[in-house]
Amino acid sequence: AQRVTQPEKLLSVFKGAPVELKCNYSYSGSPELFWYVQYSRQRLQLLLRHISRESIKGFTADLNKGETSFHLKKPFAQEEDSAMYYCALSGRDGGTSYGKLTFGQGTILTVHP
Amino acid sequence: DAGVTQSPTHLIKTRGQQVTLRCSPISGHKSVSWYQQVLGQGPQFIFQYYEKEERGRGNFPDRFSARQFPNYSSELNVNALLLGDSALYLCASSFLENEAFFGQGTRLTVV
Repeated sequence: AQRVTQPEKLLSVFKGAPVELKCNYSYSGSPELFWYVQYSRQRLQLLLRHISRESIKGFTADLNKGETSFHLKKPFAQEEDSAMYYCALSGRDGGTSYGKLTFGQGTILTVHP
Repeated sequence: DAGVTQSPTHLIKTRGQQVTLRCSPISGHKSVSWYQQVLGQGPQFIFQYYEKEERGRGNFPDRFSARQFPNYSSELNVNALLLGDSALYLCASSFLENEAFFGQGTRLTVV
């Protein structure tokens, strides 16, 4: 079975402050981890994936297999970062559910001016 | 490219009725997945289809079914609707494995 946990439903920071959105996962195999973002009145879109190891809009995320975590970080938050963020995992459950994404419950990030 | 398109955008049905939701993937994408998103929760995987074959099924009752057509568009059917089926239904298409692009969703309300 696979599970994704985002412990914070709400996160508020001020503009320019660092932000970290937490994500922990449970999966017995080798997972692929993603962060998806949903801005107000827009569709869910991919922010970044761990295998690409790139920074998008100043966000980075490192997969820590020892701690089974994939926290999303940004050193200086901007007001336009306010959105709903979902951590997601993809793996194969015993060879089935090919390409299935398991999402966490999401964290609403609010960046105050 | 218009991206993944879903129809209708909103739908109201009565308990016990049946509903069909439609999804057109991004051109060139052969994989389509369906998710249910209940208010306050993350999307939950329902089905994945690739090249018209079911490749994955989530933990949903048999009242939920889907299919993919030769042009890679897809339909999700839900029979004998329950109040608890009220949710946002999301369709996602993929070209590369796991990089899913989502539609705007269909908001289903069961009364």
